[in-house]
Amino acid sequence: EAGVAQSPRYKIIEKRQSVAFWCNPISGHATLYWYQQILGQGPKLLIQFQNNGVVDDSQLPKDRFSAERLKGVDSTLKIQPAKLEDSAVYLCASSLQVPWPYQETQYFGPGTRLLVL
Amino acid sequence: TQLLEQSPQFLSIQEGENLTVYCNSSSVFSSLQWYRQEPGEGPVLLVTVVTGGEVKKLKRLTFQFGDARKDSSLHITAAQPGDTGLYLCAGVLGGTSYGKLTFGQGTILTVHP
Repeated sequence: EAGVAQSPRYKIIEKRQSVAFWCNPISGHATLYWYQQILGQGPKLLIQFQNNGVVDDSQLPKDRFSAERLKGVDSTLKIQPAKLEDSAVYLCASSLQVPWPYQETQYFGPGTRLLVL
Repeated sequence: TQLLEQSPQFLSIQEGENLTVYCNSSSVFSSLQWYRQEPGEGPVLLVTVVTGGEVKKLKRLTFQFGDARKDSSLHITAAQPGDTGLYLCAGVLGGTSYGKLTFGQGTILTVHP
């Protein structure tokens, strides 16, 4: 079974530029997550989709970050304009939908490493 | 302020030694997970614990969920160089209606041959 795919793997941009990341989840996984992992910290949830609807985007800096999941499959995360503090690894994860309170397993992609200069 | 505090943040040991990593919070979690992350990769789930006092074993790894479901520990027996990596605990807060994970800051483990 193919895992979660992300691209690009690395990106270097200058501050105030725009950047977009792409994620293809595991086939059949209804839930998709975007996390930001700053060096030395654990991942922080930015946005969670259930199919193509947003479940939680409370920690997404909406003035510069946006995300969409068209047709409930692939997803893109965009930063416009980027700031120095956006330098981080952006992880995408997906999971099957299971009834609460059961805890589904999240499968993570390899991440996109973003460096903002 | 981290909702989940992991300690220690760094651990450097020799092959064959035992170690314990702690994950503590003042909040109650309905479930708690442990992940291992290698450089250049995403986290990989090791275990999920859901019952207070639960103990799970995975080969040389032993995971425990506190009775009050506010803390957890990961114990590794006879560590090997292949155990090197970033260990993350992550929990779902009690009462959350969907599986939003909150991660600790991680423990970087280095096992020297």
